[in-house]
Amino acid sequence: DAGITQSPRHKVTETGTPVTLRCHQTENHRYMYWYRQDPGHGLRLIHYSYGVKDTDKGEVSDGYSVSRSKTEDFLLTLESATSSQTSVYFCAINGLGTYNEQFFGPGTRLTVL
Amino acid sequence: GENVEQHPSTLSVQEGDSAVIKCTYSDSASNYFPWYKQELGKRPQLIIDIRSNVGEKKDQRIAVTLNKTAKHFSLHITETQPEDSAVYFCAASEDRGSTLGRLYFGRGTQLTVWP
Repeated sequence: DAGITQSPRHKVTETGTPVTLRCHQTENHRYMYWYRQDPGHGLRLIHYSYGVKDTDKGEVSDGYSVSRSKTEDFLLTLESATSSQTSVYFCAINGLGTYNEQFFGPGTRLTVL
Repeated sequence: GENVEQHPSTLSVQEGDSAVIKCTYSDSASNYFPWYKQELGKRPQLIIDIRSNVGEKKDQRIAVTLNKTAKHFSLHITETQPEDSAVYFCAASEDRGSTLGRLYFGRGTQLTVWP
């Protein structure tokens, strides 16, 4: 668990403001993911990255953008936050385990008023 | 893409009883099936996984079974305890050897174990 961190852990913001969430890993793993978790919907993939500057969309990417300028950081940006983006956001990486299993960061609780 | 269905969405059992959660998947290319446990307010934690070269895997009180022909896999928890209460997620992916494809998750099962 010490290999992946998220910041901030909690954030309250207002509709229309930009928000950036950060995921940081210390293990130099190639694959990183952003999920959102909402009651009744489980974990839904927003975007993922398979290397520096290499990213792709998941099934709920509208309203979100990502960037990965260095291996250890994967940023998720809400350009103009909406109340429907109130959620818990988890970052995940592959490769901490023996067989490239996926492990999650501690999560960021975002509230958009 | 892959579609993972998970049932039931809620499950209540008495302490000491067994609990079974079932998942189905649609993509025959999927060959890696992890299970995650998420306690309230915490991150999902990997508890067990299975690859398609085996039909069953056990780790103490938990076991996972896989039927590739029918495209379904199940989590079995025996001798349940109150600390087993959590949300459990199944997932499916394609293990390509050098890398793991993205995970497709079920919607989760809220397991409650009553003392």
